[in-house]
Amino acid sequence: DAGITQSPRHKVTETGTPVTLRCHQTENHRYMYWYRQDPGHGLRLIHYSYGVKDTDKGEVSDGYSVSRSKTEDFLLTLESATSSQTSVYFCAINPDRVNYGYTFGSGTRLTVV
Amino acid sequence: DQQVKQNSPSLSVQEGRISILNCDYTNSMFDYFLWYKKYPAEGPTFLISISSIKDKNEDGRFTVFLNKSAKHLSLHIVPSQPGDSAVYFCAATATIYGGSQGNLIFGKGTKLSVKP
Repeated sequence: DAGITQSPRHKVTETGTPVTLRCHQTENHRYMYWYRQDPGHGLRLIHYSYGVKDTDKGEVSDGYSVSRSKTEDFLLTLESATSSQTSVYFCAINPDRVNYGYTFGSGTRLTVV
Repeated sequence: DQQVKQNSPSLSVQEGRISILNCDYTNSMFDYFLWYKKYPAEGPTFLISISSIKDKNEDGRFTVFLNKSAKHLSLHIVPSQPGDSAVYFCAATATIYGGSQGNLIFGKGTKLSVKP
């Protein structure tokens, strides 16, 4: 693997519960991203980070928060999960602000029941 | 509104023939384009890219063509192989300052099936 892992790989949770997804990288890349993939929507950016404690919103950030306290970890939190957040979540990393092509993790399949 | 459009949800091609996947964009500021390939239960993997200063970029069996005036790009796979069966995402970005680029905007993807 390219040095990026996501955990858990699968999760089922109940509506209204908090959920945290973890992305861990060993590449020491500055940029980290959270995307969600849904049928008919492709990949949509939720939040991204450009350094420790530096994060910003993407196009579908409502209902999500993120934290990056260490270079290697980027956490995505659903404060109160809803059924509309059932999706496959992908983390990606990039060394800098020039696009040589993001490296993606294998994804987390989240089901909110 | 969608800035990157892949209007064909699926494409079926015979092994050995050419696969042509299309992508249109609406934002004239986009100046760098990428294609990603995704197998089931895996993350997308970078395939090939092209800068707006070029109209063609080749890498083995994969060639990307860019038509800036039409805001259109295409990915050609020749010859197609069963292992190419996957979902292909087109993505675009714009240079924002000092050589830096904005975040990638992805299309919805096209599912390619290559039949033996």
